[in-house]
Amino acid sequence: EVQLVETGGGLTQPGESLRLSCAASGFTVSSNHMSWVRQAPGRGLEWVSVIYSAGSTYYVDSVKGRFTISRDNSKNTLDLQMNSLRAEDTAVYYCAREAAGSIDCWGHGTLVTVSS
Amino acid sequence: QLVLTQSPSASASLGASVKLTCTLSSGHSGYAIAWHQQQPEKGPRYLMKLNSDGSHSKGDGIPDRFSGSSSGPERYLTISSLQSEDEADYYCQTWGTGIRVFGGGTKLTVL
Repeated sequence: EVQLVETGGGLTQPGESLRLSCAASGFTVSSNHMSWVRQAPGRGLEWVSVIYSAGSTYYVDSVKGRFTISRDNSKNTLDLQMNSLRAEDTAVYYCAREAAGSIDCWGHGTLVTVSS
Repeated sequence: QLVLTQSPSASASLGASVKLTCTLSSGHSGYAIAWHQQQPEKGPRYLMKLNSDGSHSKGDGIPDRFSGSSSGPERYLTISSLQSEDEADYYCQTWGTGIRVFGGGTKLTVL
């Protein structure tokens, strides 16, 4: 069974860092494009970042220079290092698998709260 | 600029059918999209990938009541025989090199 489980969320202060991890089972992370998507409270879905199977990475403008997407092939995980966090980064963060661009599997999400 | 536009809300009666629309921005009418469902207090669920010619491939376990179609820049999600559990937010999603885009979502109310 294909499954994605995110961990690492929590409450942190503005300017601090947090690292999210997404454990995959039933498939190989490095064989797929993988994305992070977030949803602020009461808002819609917002794409954050993607890592291609070949390794290229891309980000939404609002997180460029602050967030870094990566994967650990030995652990079959997808990670998101989030630095210089802002209040507007508060959201549920979802890990997602892609099939030729289309997201075809979602994790359950992990809540990140940035507040002083 | 790649943009997806959805109506904020829709409603239909229990047992009826509803057709939700997602519109691609000018110059992008050939793009495929995906439809996702998000029930209240839950994470999103993948429904289907929908191509510009109307062909679509559904996710595992998605009922036959859900279908997709296309016309020009419009991508449709039709839900027939509406059930109470279909009350949810529905998002369309598309992609290009180095970018992924979501529509603003349509909140479907089942009356």
